[in-house]
Amino acid sequence: KAGVTQTPRYLIKTRGQQVTLSCSPISGHRSVSWYQQTPGQGLQFLFEYFSETQRNKGNFPGRFSGRQFSNSRSEMNVSTLELGDSALYLCASSLVPGRLGVQPQHFGDGTRLSIL
Amino acid sequence: AQTVTQSQPEMSVQEAETVTLSCTYDTSESDYYLFWYKQPPSRQMILVIRQEAYKQQNATENRFSVNFQKAAKSFSLKISDSQLGDAAMYFCALNSGYALNFGKGTSLLVTP
Repeated sequence: KAGVTQTPRYLIKTRGQQVTLSCSPISGHRSVSWYQQTPGQGLQFLFEYFSETQRNKGNFPGRFSGRQFSNSRSEMNVSTLELGDSALYLCASSLVPGRLGVQPQHFGDGTRLSIL
Repeated sequence: AQTVTQSQPEMSVQEAETVTLSCTYDTSESDYYLFWYKQPPSRQMILVIRQEAYKQQNATENRFSVNFQKAAKSFSLKISDSQLGDAAMYFCALNSGYALNFGKGTSLLVTP
C-alpha cells in the first residue's frame, strides 16, 4: 500500500511569488492535514480537510490556503511568499478526521520550501 | 491551550543500551492521546507508539515502551537495545481533537 506522497520534494522560490504543494493520501484515507515545520517554531498545524471541506485551520495568515479534491488529494497554496515561509511542509492523512489516537495520522516525506 | 515540552534537545546512547526520552504536557482535556513520532533524515514522521489517556497500562511496541504518569502529565519513551537505525529526531505529540500538538523534539544519537 503506497504511503502519503508529497510533491515536489524540494522547491526554491523568491519573495513575493506564490507556490502550490501537492499531497496524495494513502488509498482510502479521506482526511488530510498540513503542518509547517521550522527550526524556530517546530511543527505547527496549518489546516485539515475532509470531504473537500476545510474543517479546521491553525493560526496562520490568509496567505496560506488549501483545498481537497474529490479523490482526497490535497493542495496547499502560499501566496506572496516571505522569507519566514521557508520550512518543511508535511502532509498527513488518516481514514477519517477526529480522534487521532484511534485513527492515527500517517505522514509524507514533506516538501522543503526555500525562499530566497 | 495544550502544550508539549521536551526538555532534552539532544541525547546520546550506545548501541544495545537503553535510553529514555522525556516529555511533559499540559491539557485541560480528560480524553486525549499521546504519541511518540520518529523523524529520521529522510524527513518522514513515523509513528513509534501511542497511548490512550484513559488506559493506565503503559503502551509497548517491541523495543519501545512508554512510562505514562497521568497525574504528573509525563510521558517518557524508553528505547531498549538501541540500534543505529534508531538515530533520529523524536517528537512527543498530544491530541485531543483534530490536530497534533508537537514538542520541539529530541535528537537521538546512537554510537557504535
